Amino acid sequence: AQKVTQAQTEISVVEKEDVTLDCVYETRDTTYYLFWYKQPPSGELVFLIRRNSFDEQNEISGRYSWNFQKSTSSFNFTITASQVVDSAVYFCALSEALSSNDYKLSFGAGTTVTVRA
Amino acid sequence: EAGVTQFPSHSVIEKGQTVTLRCDPISGHDNLYWYRRVMGKEIKFLLHFVKESKQDESGMPNNRFLAERTGGTYSTLKVQPAELEDSGVYFCASSQETGNSPLHFGNGTRLTVT
Repeated sequence: AQKVTQAQTEISVVEKEDVTLDCVYETRDTTYYLFWYKQPPSGELVFLIRRNSFDEQNEISGRYSWNFQKSTSSFNFTITASQVVDSAVYFCALSEALSSNDYKLSFGAGTTVTVRA
Repeated sequence: EAGVTQFPSHSVIEKGQTVTLRCDPISGHDNLYWYRRVMGKEIKFLLHFVKESKQDESGMPNNRFLAERTGGTYSTLKVQPAELEDSGVYFCASSQETGNSPLHFGNGTRLTVT
């Protein structure tokens, strides 16, 4: 069963619009971590944020903000006042403990964001 | 600090041929991972090295895939013989600690099997 679901395949916005990327996850662990990664056209995966399951505070970093709602198993990501440089594929990921020394990241399918000038 | 580097960036081979992908992790990172993204789907785990030992290889699709990390530094992933369904982007990542340290990913190798 898919553990991380990113229902939006593609989102296209005009510059300066806000865009919210949805992420819903599924896990039986009580302790887990959630991540967002960005894949710009250059190809590499860039780490954006890590959030543990006990910290439900929302976080803001510049134009980026994250809304973690444990009750709905969601970890949504909002880009405020989008810019062309935000165009990329964004991946949500879940880390679960397989053992005390072995963790595995499960990724969503990714959401392609296109910001038009 | 140099990031995770992968070589080659692109590879186009015919079905039945052999291809070897290389990953150089960030210096000092004991943990090295291989992931794969096939045809716009989710990125899937292949295996995890801790130094030169395979910690978890549960994601390796079949015995046509062989990963090595001799000496605990760089790693290679060999596909022999390649099949059409092996096409995709292969990512390597490294981290200094296990647990839930963020992974540092390379640019990936885009493999096309024709």
